[in-house]
Amino acid sequence: DVKVTQSSRYLVKRTGEKVFLECVQDMDHENMFWYRQDPGLGLRLIYFSYDVKMKEKGDIPEGYSVSREKKERFSLILESASTNQTSMYLCASSLPQYSNQPQHFGDGTRLSIL
Amino acid sequence: ILNVEQSPQSLHVQEGDSTNFTCSFPSSNFYALHWYRWETAKSPEALFVMTLNGDEKKKGRISATLNTKEGYSYLYIKGSQPEDSATYLCAFPPSGYALNFGKGTSLLVTP
Repeated sequence: DVKVTQSSRYLVKRTGEKVFLECVQDMDHENMFWYRQDPGLGLRLIYFSYDVKMKEKGDIPEGYSVSREKKERFSLILESASTNQTSMYLCASSLPQYSNQPQHFGDGTRLSIL
Repeated sequence: ILNVEQSPQSLHVQEGDSTNFTCSFPSSNFYALHWYRWETAKSPEALFVMTLNGDEKKKGRISATLNTKEGYSYLYIKGSQPEDSATYLCAFPPSGYALNFGKGTSLLVTP
């Protein structure tokens, strides 16, 4: 089974801090994704990566950046955390045939910015 | 953003009831339609990936149908059980790698 591991289940940070959320997958998937989930809004794509060092903006990239130095690891960075970035963050990975391969998700990180 | 619409937003049924929900998506440039189940405190789990018009897939008591011409998919649960309580998400890839998700249908099954 695919395992997608997010570094923290819960995280509390302060406004203005630089925050790193880490995600590791063990199935050699090319594609990796970062989403955020907010009540009433559904899962929204922040960034994705289809290869090492490649990244593409999703629907809501403002205030975030990403890093993919190794195939198995995809990091989400909040450059200067703000309270409106309090959310549930989900990482996912998939095989490269995007149109008919499911995404595999981590357990999520519930991030609170105070 | 090409939207996926799911209805109803929430559903409460009794154990043993059968139920169904709907996912509507843009029918042009169709690639695939995904269904996921997301239980509380767990990660979303893929149920089905459907690609062909008229396709019907089944996993235990859960099945799904697909109509790509009119842009909708139905998810059916036969004889709902409390362990079926979850949020059911549908999603499609509008133009490439990533998925656009609907807001989900939250199902509660009570004994």
